[in-house]
Amino acid sequence: GAVVSQHPSWVICKSGTSVKIECRSLDFQATTMFWYRQFPKQSLMLMATSNEGSKATYEQGVEKDKFLINHASLTLSTLTVTSAHPEDSSFYICSAEVLTSGVSGEQFFGPGTRLTVL
Amino acid sequence: QQPVQSPQAVILREGEDAVINCSSSKALYSVHWYRQKHGEAPVFLMILLKGGEQKGHEKISASFNEKKQQSSLYLTASQLSYSGTYFCGTEGGGGTSYGKLTFGQGTILTVHP
Repeated sequence: GAVVSQHPSWVICKSGTSVKIECRSLDFQATTMFWYRQFPKQSLMLMATSNEGSKATYEQGVEKDKFLINHASLTLSTLTVTSAHPEDSSFYICSAEVLTSGVSGEQFFGPGTRLTVL
Repeated sequence: QQPVQSPQAVILREGEDAVINCSSSKALYSVHWYRQKHGEAPVFLMILLKGGEQKGHEKISASFNEKKQQSSLYLTASQLSYSGTYFCGTEGGGGTSYGKLTFGQGTILTVHP
C-alpha cells in the first residue's frame, strides 16, 4: 500500500512558539492531502484539505492564521501551528489520497505527530 | 454530519464474530473503514462505493446497503490482532464535499485469549 510519513513523531514546545509538522507521500504523488486532529479517546476531526499549488481549504471553526498549511510539492504538505497554546496539544495526523475511482479514493494516513504545548 | 457507529464497544474471545455498524441519515457517496491501534495512525481496511456492495475477504468484510445510508463491518473468527478502535469515514451525505471524510465516533474492539 501507499506509504505516508510524518515528522516529527512527537514534539514538546513552550506556549507561544510555532511548530512545523511535515507530511510526505513516499512512493506516490498526492495532489490532495488532509490534516486531522484527534484528542484522546475521540474521533478524527478534519481540519483542512491541502491542495498542491493552491490554498488550503479549512473546515468551519479552524483558524487558518493559526494553522498554516503549505503544499509545495506533490509529495509534501506542512502544517505549522503558530503561537501554540496548551489547548493545541493533540495528535495531528495527515493523510494522502490515492484516487481509485476517479472521484473517490483511499486515504492513507501518516503515523501522526503528538504535540504537547507546555 | 457525523455518522453514527454502533456498538460503542465490544469485547470478544478469540474466534468469536463481531459486527460494527455505521449509519447516516442521508445517502452517502462512499464509506471507508479504518482500524486504529492506541497511539498509532488509522490503517485503511476497505472502501465501499456502490449500493448493495459487499467486499472483503473471509475474515474481514463489509457491506453497503442499497440506499447507501448504512454500512456494516464483519469480523469473523476474531484474532488478538483485531483489537483496536474501528472508525467508519463517510463521504457525501449532505454537507460534506466529495473527497472529504467525516468519521464516526469509533467502536472499541477488544479480543481476549
